[in-house]
Amino acid sequence: ETGVTQSPTHLIKTRGQQVTLRCSSQSGHNTVSWYQQALGQGPQFIFQYYREEENGRGNFPPRFSGLQFPNYSSELNVNALELDDSALYLCASSTGQGQQGYTFGSGTRLTVV
Amino acid sequence: AQSVTQPDIHITVSEGASLELRCNYSYGATPYLFWYVQSPGQGLQLLLKYFSGDTLVQGIKGFEAEFKRSQSSFNLRKPSVHWSDAAEYFCAVRETGFQKLVFGTGTRLLVSP
Repeated sequence: ETGVTQSPTHLIKTRGQQVTLRCSSQSGHNTVSWYQQALGQGPQFIFQYYREEENGRGNFPPRFSGLQFPNYSSELNVNALELDDSALYLCASSTGQGQQGYTFGSGTRLTVV
Repeated sequence: AQSVTQPDIHITVSEGASLELRCNYSYGATPYLFWYVQSPGQGLQLLLKYFSGDTLVQGIKGFEAEFKRSQSSFNLRKPSVHWSDAAEYFCAVRETGFQKLVFGTGTRLLVSP
């Protein structure tokens, strides 16, 4: 059973640029959610995708957007990067109601300079 | 809205000593509760979860947690700590309606020889 894989592992971008982060969900999981973890903080929910549609969103501006593909993999896109977007971005996958828990990837460390 | 409080930012425990990490949650109904562990630069690994039933939950790596509704707590325990347990520990509650996890700010565990 493969876990959740994220790419890239590290990324440096300039303020104002756009970035795309990728996530492959665990085999058998059909729901993907994204979290932002700033240094020294707990993860904050960005949004969740189920059956290729966003079905939940946290307190993040519209410049944070996503996609889920038919194979349940997902992308997180961030436009107009700001310095405060520097964080570890975590992807988590689960089955329909999350009864088995949520499997997290190792994350993408984004640094905005 | 749901919230999770982890009152201890840092805890230092001697190797071989027992451990208890505190977690309090704010939630109206029966919560779905989780404990995750995060090693430096890594993603989150699920230690254990509580959905219903027996209030004492066993997890991986010798950890257990007890759900106490009257105290709104879900404390994590381990009878004998190993040096490899040094990491950041996060308590989380799942919101109903969709599968958003709300995390506490984490407790960093240091293990002294």
